[in-house]
Amino acid sequence: EAGVTQFPSHSVIEKGQTVTLRCDPISGHDNLYWYRRVMGKEIKFLLHFVKESKQDESGMPNNRFLAERTGGTYSTLKVQPAELEDSGVYFCASTSGFNTEAFFGQGTRLTVV
Amino acid sequence: GDSVTQMEGPVTLSEEAFLTINCTYTATGYPSLFWYVQYPGEGLQLLLKATKADDKGSNKGFEATYRKETTSFHLEKGSVQVSDSAVYFCALSDRTLIIQGAQKLVFGQGTRLTINP
Repeated sequence: EAGVTQFPSHSVIEKGQTVTLRCDPISGHDNLYWYRRVMGKEIKFLLHFVKESKQDESGMPNNRFLAERTGGTYSTLKVQPAELEDSGVYFCASTSGFNTEAFFGQGTRLTVV
Repeated sequence: GDSVTQMEGPVTLSEEAFLTINCTYTATGYPSLFWYVQYPGEGLQLLLKATKADDKGSNKGFEATYRKETTSFHLEKGSVQVSDSAVYFCALSDRTLIIQGAQKLVFGQGTRLTINP
């Protein structure tokens, strides 16, 4: 069974450009989470989907970030326009539901120059 | 809000040394506690967990005990190997949210561990 897959693994963009990160959760996992680790600091929660609905987006830093999960399968996280402070590693995780282990992808390293 | 503090890294040890990575937490509720590990080039993996006070989580020779009185969840291993080199993250999750089907994790800043042969 495939794990959580994230694309791309690395992205380098210029300030002001747009970048879209993608996460494919484990098949059948209704819960999908986005997290971000900035400059070696703690990993911080961004948002949580249950199927296609945003359950909790309290961690989204500002309106330059837009997350979608059309059809309740894969999710995208778009940053537009990107700023220098958006650099970091973006992790995606999925769970099947109640009291179950969170499975993480390998992360997307975003560098804004 | 809830928070996790873990010892500053990086930590460098020789093979077969004893390892302790300290982790303390602050939580308003009664959290579940986790240690995640990220090996080079891979995603985060759950290493071990504990869901109530005095529970001991263990896996791959690693152990951590949920200490409510000291709000700690220190990671230990008696004899480390080169293959244990990785970044280790302590984390908590509010059990109320878990019961509701969510698992919103609060992480510490991570500790990079390097084991030399």
